Amino acid sequence: DIQMTQSPSTLSASVGDRVTITCRASQSISDWLAWYQQKPGKAPKLLIYKASSLESGVPSRFSGSGSGTEFTLTISGLRPDDFATYYCQQYDRFGSFGQGTKVEIK
Amino acid sequence: EVQLVESGGGLVQPGGSLRLSCAASGFTFSTYWMHWVRQVPGKGLEWVSRINPDGSATTYAGSVMGRFTFSRDNAKTTLYLQMSSLRAEDTAVYYCAREQQLRRGAFDLWGQGTMVFVSS
Repeated sequence: DIQMTQSPSTLSASVGDRVTITCRASQSISDWLAWYQQKPGKAPKLLIYKASSLESGVPSRFSGSGSGTEFTLTISGLRPDDFATYYCQQYDRFGSFGQGTKVEIK
Repeated sequence: EVQLVESGGGLVQPGGSLRLSCAASGFTFSTYWMHWVRQVPGKGLEWVSRINPDGSATTYAGSVMGRFTFSRDNAKTTLYLQMSSLRAEDTAVYYCAREQQLRRGAFDLWGQGTMVFVSS
């Protein structure tokens, strides 16, 4: 099984900050990597797919990069609505998720 | 409206069975791979199973293999997850999700989830 490891587990930030979340795969997954945002009591929402492609309707302050085993999600200019938990997912082989990164208000 | 709506969750005793449903609408259901993902409240997401568009092929996570069966009825645009030999560790919110129609796809549409609670 492919293991996905996110860091940090929690991130404290302020409105307007640039934040970066890292995701590492236990083996190469090419660019079959997605990022999701989840708010309490809600289903996950797709933000980024194929490592760097922005899902339709998602603000351009969200961006993704990486390939192989190391990936990043960057939020440029954090907005109040962005405080949530973020998950990476590999879909090279089925669909395992990282453990999540909670972005909280500093 | 493009949506997925899960139902069928509830309280079940260990060793018991439960069938979840996921009703799809607003898109050409029969052309999509579909998935189940679960989440223990307060914890992370776990991929559970997938099914191909015509329902002829399924794959399961090791944690549910042999106990869960994923099926679909394209005429009714509905997914089913038959869960048996349930354990306390199966307690979770269960989401159905649609896979993008790409060579390999992320999950671009999710239901609201249905809660399964396994306890005596």
